[in-house]
Amino acid sequence: KQEVTQIPAALSVPEGENLVLNCSFTDSAIYNLQWFRQDPGKGLTSLLLIQSSQREQTSGRLNASLDKSSGRSTLYIAASQPGDSATYLCAVNTGGFKTIFGAGTRLFVKA
Amino acid sequence: NAGVTQTPKFQVLKTGQSMTLQCAQDMNHEYMSWYRQDPGMGLRLIHYSVGAGITDQGEVPNGYNVSRSTTEDFPLRLLSAAPSQTSVYFCASSYLDRPTDTQYFGPGTRLTVL
Repeated sequence: KQEVTQIPAALSVPEGENLVLNCSFTDSAIYNLQWFRQDPGKGLTSLLLIQSSQREQTSGRLNASLDKSSGRSTLYIAASQPGDSATYLCAVNTGGFKTIFGAGTRLFVKA
Repeated sequence: NAGVTQTPKFQVLKTGQSMTLQCAQDMNHEYMSWYRQDPGMGLRLIHYSVGAGITDQGEVPNGYNVSRSTTEDFPLRLLSAAPSQTSVYFCASSYLDRPTDTQYFGPGTRLTVL
């Protein structure tokens, strides 16, 4: 059974710092992996989607990497800003129309 | 283009009551799904549908029913509400045959069962 774990559960950093959020999964047979952002009381917004055959994806200050063999993905945020404060969720699509989510990392960027 | 809409935003029920959470999308997506999100846990899949008339169970289907009579709508029914069903419910939709496309999520329904 696929399990997705995110570490740390919460993170507080000063503005301007570069940071890394971690996601690990137990079964390397994945279809794709996504990183989502969730603001308090809101739905999820997709940030990056990495296909099974890809190693990384970039969007602005965000870079996500995927290492299937080790069951790991990282989300790198450069030059963090207070507006980056949110919960970041990692989700693994295992095929068969099912997506497994991690519990998320709550990020707080201090001005 | 409204995306994925959900109603109501908030709901309080008493144990044993039934209700329907509404979900609609205007993107002509084949795939629609319902998740619940509980504190300290990731989203868990309740039911999903790959097209009108086709539904299947997810990870936590007990106590919930779904139907898909149209492409646009995918309501979630709570048959007899229990306190364990207190949660935030999200509806999502996506294309079936576009692997680079993400799922689009609604804003959620916060349900409390007393």
